[in-house]
Amino acid sequence: QQQVKQSPQSLIVQKGGISIINCAYENTAFDYFPWYQQFPGKGPALLIAIRPDVSEKKEGRFTISFNKSAKQFSLHIMDSQPGDSATYFCAASIGGSARQLTFGSGTQLTVLP
Amino acid sequence: DTGVSQNPRHKITKRGQNVTFRCDPISEHNRLYWYRQTLGQGPEFLTYFQNEAQLEKSRLLSDRFSAERPKGSFSTLEIQRTEQGDSAMYLCASSLRRDRGDTQYFGPGTRLTVL
Repeated sequence: QQQVKQSPQSLIVQKGGISIINCAYENTAFDYFPWYQQFPGKGPALLIAIRPDVSEKKEGRFTISFNKSAKQFSLHIMDSQPGDSATYFCAASIGGSARQLTFGSGTQLTVLP
Repeated sequence: DTGVSQNPRHKITKRGQNVTFRCDPISEHNRLYWYRQTLGQGPEFLTYFQNEAQLEKSRLLSDRFSAERPKGSFSTLEIQRTEQGDSAMYLCASSLRRDRGDTQYFGPGTRLTVL
C-alpha cells in the first residue's frame, strides 16, 4: 500500500529558529515529492518540490533534503517566522508528474513571536 | 489572477440527501483532481480527469460518489444518499500537464457536514 509517514504531528518553534519536518515513504516508484502549506480555511498551496535526481533543493528560507537510499525526505524552514504558522503536508506521486498525490498526515507548526 | 474556485464553500445536509459540489479550475488547466480531507489528516485522492476523461478513481470513491467534467471545463462531484462518514472537506485541484510534470493548485474546498 502506498503510504507516506510524516512526523512530528505538531511542532513549536521560537521566531528565528529552524523548523524541521520529516517524511518517510515505502513505494520506491515515487518520483515526485512536494511539500504543501495549508492555512485554516484554505486549500493546500505548493511550497517546494523535489525529484529524486537531486539530494537537496533550496528556495528562499525553505529547503528539502532528500535521502533516496533511506526513502526519507525533510523540510527545513530557516529563520522561522510567526507567519509560517500553518499545517505542512509532505506528499509523493508516481510518473514524473503530480497526478495522484499521496499525502502525509500533516504537521501543525506554531512559531512563537 | 483567478485560482481554483469551489462552490458552495459550506454545505450542511441531512443523512440520506444528495449533494453536488462544483469546481472551476484555472483556465486552460487540462487536469482536474478531487480529494477528500478529514480533520487532522492529509488530503486523500478521490479521482482525476484529463480534459473530459476520468482516468483514475480511488477505491475511496464508492458507488454513491460520481464525478463529471463535461467539455473538459468545470467539474461536479455528487454524493448520493449521504452518510455521516461523508462529512469532510472536499478539495478540488487543477494542473497543466507539462513534460517535466505539473503542479496541482488547490481550491479553498467545500466543507460538508452530514447531520
